[in-house]
Amino acid sequence: GESVGLHLPTLSVQEGDNSIINCAYSNSASDYFIWYKQESGKGPQFIIDIRSNMDKRQGQRVTVLLNKTVKHLSLQIAATQPGDSAVYFCAENLGTGGFKTIFGAGTRLFVKA
Amino acid sequence: DAGITQSPRHKVTETGTPVTLRCHQTENHRYMYWYRQDPGHGLRLIHYSYGVKDTDKGEVSDGYSVSRSKTEDFLLTLESATSSQTSVYFCAISSPNSSGNTIYFGEGSWLTVV
Repeated sequence: GESVGLHLPTLSVQEGDNSIINCAYSNSASDYFIWYKQESGKGPQFIIDIRSNMDKRQGQRVTVLLNKTVKHLSLQIAATQPGDSAVYFCAENLGTGGFKTIFGAGTRLFVKA
Repeated sequence: DAGITQSPRHKVTETGTPVTLRCHQTENHRYMYWYRQDPGHGLRLIHYSYGVKDTDKGEVSDGYSVSRSKTEDFLLTLESATSSQTSVYFCAISSPNSSGNTIYFGEGSWLTVV
């Protein structure tokens, strides 16, 4: 996941615009990737996942893009809403077993009304 | 909702005291995990369990122990709490799907060691 310091990267977008959150993962052997959303005071929530044999997957208002060449993952949120304000982080899984999942520190998304 | 309940949700304790956090799941998942989350770090694995009485260490296991006497319960114990263990603790389960092993989290336990 993203390497960050004490302060999370921040993305501020206008309500109704599209958001793109990026993540650089660390291991070229990772074969499964997940995006999570975490609201203040709550646990991380699963948003969407993608396997390494795919380069794009779409969900409801969200799309994940995977570029294995540069070890890059992105989450696109269409028509961003105030309820999308949260910390988003990616996770990579190195194989069988959830214990091989590595989590990034995340990006904080602010949605301006 | 992965059917995970953590207790207590908030606790303040003194340095040197023992603390136990409980995780309860209702969906018979084999794998359960304890993570801690701190500013500037991604979620870090403390311990995990792959069945009743089967546990293993994660990345940051020093100062923590776990027990799993029943499928549904996974306990995390801080034998002698230190200020560095002030953190948010998340219990999780993993559930395999067509894509991979997806980790689902509980709502968290906020622990402050003073």
